[in-house]
Amino acid sequence: KAGVTQTPRYLIKTRGQQVTLSCSPISGHRSVSWYQQTPGQGLQFLFEYFSETQRNKGNFPGRFSGRQFSNSRSEMNVSTLELGDSALYLCASSLAGTGRVQYFGPGTRLLVL
Amino acid sequence: GIQVEQSPPDLILQEGANSTLRCNFSDSVNNLQWFHQNPWGQLINLFYIPSGTKQNGRLCATTVATERYSLLYISSSQTTDSGVYFCAGTRSPLMEYGNKLVFGAGTILRVKS
Repeated sequence: KAGVTQTPRYLIKTRGQQVTLSCSPISGHRSVSWYQQTPGQGLQFLFEYFSETQRNKGNFPGRFSGRQFSNSRSEMNVSTLELGDSALYLCASSLAGTGRVQYFGPGTRLLVL
Repeated sequence: GIQVEQSPPDLILQEGANSTLRCNFSDSVNNLQWFHQNPWGQLINLFYIPSGTKQNGRLCATTVATERYSLLYISSSQTTDSGVYFCAGTRSPLMEYGNKLVFGAGTILRVKS
């Protein structure tokens, strides 16, 4: 079974632009979560989607948004990029419901210049 | 929110040595997982261990949920074990916090040949 895939793997943007990242979960997984990893803040939870609904949200500004499609694929969008948004963005998927093992994708490295 | 403390922050070992990594939680957690982050940034699942003991080759994990800590033992370390090790868990109750993983800051392990 294929693992979690994320596209693109690397991205360079400039301040003020917006970016969309994509995540395809493991087949059969309906929960998709997003995390941001930076050297200063470590790994932080952004949001979780389940059955096309945002189930949980971390402490990030409204510039960070996401959505989930009927096939469980998810996208996250960051608008009006700031230098501090440079990070590794990781997506994780798990089976339906809570209390499940989460499997992570390879991540998208975003550099904001 | 819940705090996750990992120790030691850094560890340098000679190949063949054994080590113990520790993870303390400030409150009870569910869905405790251990990950190894590879050089490309992907989080590789090592153990899903909300309680009890599990072994996988040279790795062994133990979680004592009542005392809010988990241990990861690495025996006969190899250079390929180098990297960052994270523990993470979700808060209770599950139905409120879902799959939101709270991560520790990680332990950087360097194994020298």
